[in-house]
Amino acid sequence: QKEVEQDPGPLSVPEGAIVSLNCTYSNSAFQYFMWYRQYSRKGPELLMYTYSSGNKEDGRFTAQVDKSSKYISLFIRDSQPSDSATYLCAMSPTSYGKLTFGQGTILTVHP
Amino acid sequence: GAVVSQHPSRVICKSGTSVKIECRSLDFQATTMFWYRQFPKQSLMLMATSNEGSKATYEQGVEKDKFLINHASLTLSTLTVTSAHPEDSSFYICSASGGRGRDTDTQYFGPGTRLTVL
Repeated sequence: QKEVEQDPGPLSVPEGAIVSLNCTYSNSAFQYFMWYRQYSRKGPELLMYTYSSGNKEDGRFTAQVDKSSKYISLFIRDSQPSDSATYLCAMSPTSYGKLTFGQGTILTVHP
Repeated sequence: GAVVSQHPSRVICKSGTSVKIECRSLDFQATTMFWYRQFPKQSLMLMATSNEGSKATYEQGVEKDKFLINHASLTLSTLTVTSAHPEDSSFYICSASGGRGRDTDTQYFGPGTRLTVL
């Protein structure tokens, strides 16, 4: 069993839809949770960074962490075609430590 | 956010040659840099972790003599693929962290280097 599970999709939604992306994990030591967006042939770009449980909002993006269920989510409101990318969840026991990534979910937002 | 650059962005080389890839943190000091490789449609695979001024820590299964990592300063790390073979063709991505001068202590990624070995 992988430490971090993420549905690879692909996920296709119409423009304006609310997108929900999720990851589950098994290592209870994870304290820091991140979401990265990666466009084709580019490096990952940090979208959201959360410490421990709770919600965090930044513009159209909301990250949720439920440590009791070992479950994290990323919501994208009013999705745009420019949101089409691969979304990677990542987590770590420490702020500077190595990250454990999910497989990535391929998202396509069509006009 | 923090800026991490990589050079070159793309390199094509002949089998048996060595290739050096540079990773620079442009606006912050990175005490730790990470090197990943990524195959098409797959997630990132951590190769090694390097701390400034000390030897890199390699992940299991990664040949340290083949993938030489140097982290000589707080803003520069290099990955040298020695005696490259076609199976080394991949997308290599570095990341940097350390928090000095940054608001968020996490990893910031470079744009990646696509290596093709003929």
